[in-house]
Amino acid sequence: LAKTTQPISMDSYEGQEVNITCSHNNIATNDYITWYQQFPSQGPRFIIQGYKTKVTNEVASLFIPADRKSSTLSLPRVSLSDTAVYYCLVGDSSGAGSYQLTFGKGTKLSVIP
Amino acid sequence: EAGVVQSPRYKIIEKKQPVAFWCNPISGHNTLYWYLQNLGQGPELLIRYENEEAVDDSQLPKDRFSAERLKGVDSTLKIQPAELGDSAVYLCASSLSGQNNSPLHFGNGTRLTVT
Repeated sequence: LAKTTQPISMDSYEGQEVNITCSHNNIATNDYITWYQQFPSQGPRFIIQGYKTKVTNEVASLFIPADRKSSTLSLPRVSLSDTAVYYCLVGDSSGAGSYQLTFGKGTKLSVIP
Repeated sequence: EAGVVQSPRYKIIEKKQPVAFWCNPISGHNTLYWYLQNLGQGPELLIRYENEEAVDDSQLPKDRFSAERLKGVDSTLKIQPAELGDSAVYLCASSLSGQNNSPLHFGNGTRLTVT
């Protein structure tokens, strides 16, 4: 089963770059890596997705090494509004053939003024 | 585009009472998910639909939980009877397909309190 491991929490000052690393040692060949952001009292929101190397959008960058056993979400110049919980997801295929996306506990990022 | 709409936003009931949650996914999204989220935890999948077919309900407590997605659009999740431990946020999400490169779009959830 593909599982993910992330730091429970991180603190950062405003204006700094934040890197959150996720380990997924058992990622399957066809799995994508997806990151979500969740604010209190809201559902998770899609941030970025990648398969290998580097992906960048207007919000974040995602770095994936060649072995794909980990990935790093990079948030440039964070602001107070980036305080949230960040989840890393990969596929979770059971032997019965079912497939689901399993959320871990996520990383609680606190941005300090 | 309109996002995933859930109602009600909050619900308070006494234990042993029934409760139902409603979800309207994004138009054109074939896959619909119901998740449960406890405080401080990540969402946990309860059931996944591909159109009107439940393709993964292995985590749904079938003795008291039921779900339906008639006509492959809106969905309803029901609990009967509710227990104290069911207090949580129930999230609905939809995606274009069930492939893992199809991002999930979540509603803001229904916060259930069972007293």
